[in-house]
Amino acid sequence: DAGVIQSPRHEVTEMGQEVTLRCKPISGHDYLFWYRQTMMRGLELLIYFNNNVPIDDSGMPEDRFSAKMPNASFSTLKIQPSEPRDSAVYFCASSRTGMGETQYFGPGTRLLVL
Amino acid sequence: DAKTTQPPSMDCAEGRAANLPCNHSTISGNEYVYWYRQIHSQGPQYIIHGLKNNETNEMASLIITEDRKSSTLILPHATLRDTAVYYCPTGANSKLTFGKGITLSVRP
Repeated sequence: DAGVIQSPRHEVTEMGQEVTLRCKPISGHDYLFWYRQTMMRGLELLIYFNNNVPIDDSGMPEDRFSAKMPNASFSTLKIQPSEPRDSAVYFCASSRTGMGETQYFGPGTRLLVL
Repeated sequence: DAKTTQPPSMDCAEGRAANLPCNHSTISGNEYVYWYRQIHSQGPQYIIHGLKNNETNEMASLIITEDRKSSTLILPHATLRDTAVYYCPTGANSKLTFGKGITLSVRP
């Protein structure tokens, strides 16, 4: 298996632009997670899905952030409009089931908003 | 989810055992203890997890105290490639809460 795939790996954009991050989870995994990592706040869970349905989005910072999972093999995290404080590494992870299962992380998307 | 605390850093000599501590005093009965590590800016890598009993796999051993308020990850023979930030999130119902982690430096 190729593992969790994220694209793009690096993104540089200007403030106010829309940014879309993409994730392909491991085949057969029912759960998908989006995390954000910064030096100041560490690794934070933004939102997670079970069987394509958002379960907990309490970590989404504000309305500028939205996430979708149209099918079992694809998810997007969108920021519109982007701001410099959104600069971070965004990780996607997936797991087979919930409790007691391992989350497998992707390589991350490094986002820089100028 | 329980909050976890770890010392900011530690080091050990190559070839020796590395014992990494984690405090999770507010853990609830159905929360697992997980250990992940992150090398440079790569995605966190799973190491091991447990609920109550001690666990061992090909990478490490996990020792959980009887009251479950703390745990120790043991890397039996540390190598330079084990230099990383180690996290011990706890979680139930899929959700993991990561702390700041402990930076392990393995010296030659």
